[in-house]
Amino acid sequence: QKEVEQDPGPLSVPEGAIVSLNCTYSNSAFQYFMWYRQYSRKGPELLMYTYSSGNKEDGRFTAQVDKSSKYISLFIRDSQPSDSATYLCAMSPLLGFGNEKLTFGTGTRLTIIP
Amino acid sequence: EPEVTQTPSHQVTQMGQEVILRCVPISNHLYFYWYRQILGQKVEFLVSFYNNEISEKSEIFDDQFSVERPDGSNFTLKIRSTKLEDSAMYFCASSEGRGDYGYTFGSGTRLTVV
Repeated sequence: QKEVEQDPGPLSVPEGAIVSLNCTYSNSAFQYFMWYRQYSRKGPELLMYTYSSGNKEDGRFTAQVDKSSKYISLFIRDSQPSDSATYLCAMSPLLGFGNEKLTFGTGTRLTIIP
Repeated sequence: EPEVTQTPSHQVTQMGQEVILRCVPISNHLYFYWYRQILGQKVEFLVSFYNNEISEKSEIFDDQFSVERPDGSNFTLKIRSTKLEDSAMYFCASSEGRGDYGYTFGSGTRLTVV
């Protein structure tokens, strides 16, 4: 089983729809969970990070972590064409003590149709 | 907003040649990283660097790779004898390392080995 699994898509939704992106993982040591957005030929850009289980909201974005199910989600409300990008989940067992290696999912390619 | 700067944006090199990829991390960050992304594949961890030494490296980061922080601002990745399979996008990243923040990635250097 891969350490982090993410449906690569592509996923196409109409403008204004709610988008749900998901990752599952197998390593129970993961404590920090991040979502990055990556535009074509650019570096990943941090959108959200959460620690352990729970929800976190930032504007149109909501990140959810369910450690019991080893499942994380990113929801995008009122999706815009500018949200079209590849969304990467990333995880780490520990941050801040010299052990900050991130394990990424393969990314989901999202297109918002105007 | 502070940025991680990478140069060059694209480098073409012949197989067997040495290349140095350069990065200027965000000035108050303490942890530095190199990741790579082969076209169509996921972002993979190469190495993390803290307090002037490698804190963790992946299996990919073999004897052909080295990192250096030659002065207070630059962070470099050297590949001694490039192979065709080293062709990838190489991302530098930095973080404050206090566990509250995700990384900031640079825009990457596209390395093409011919």
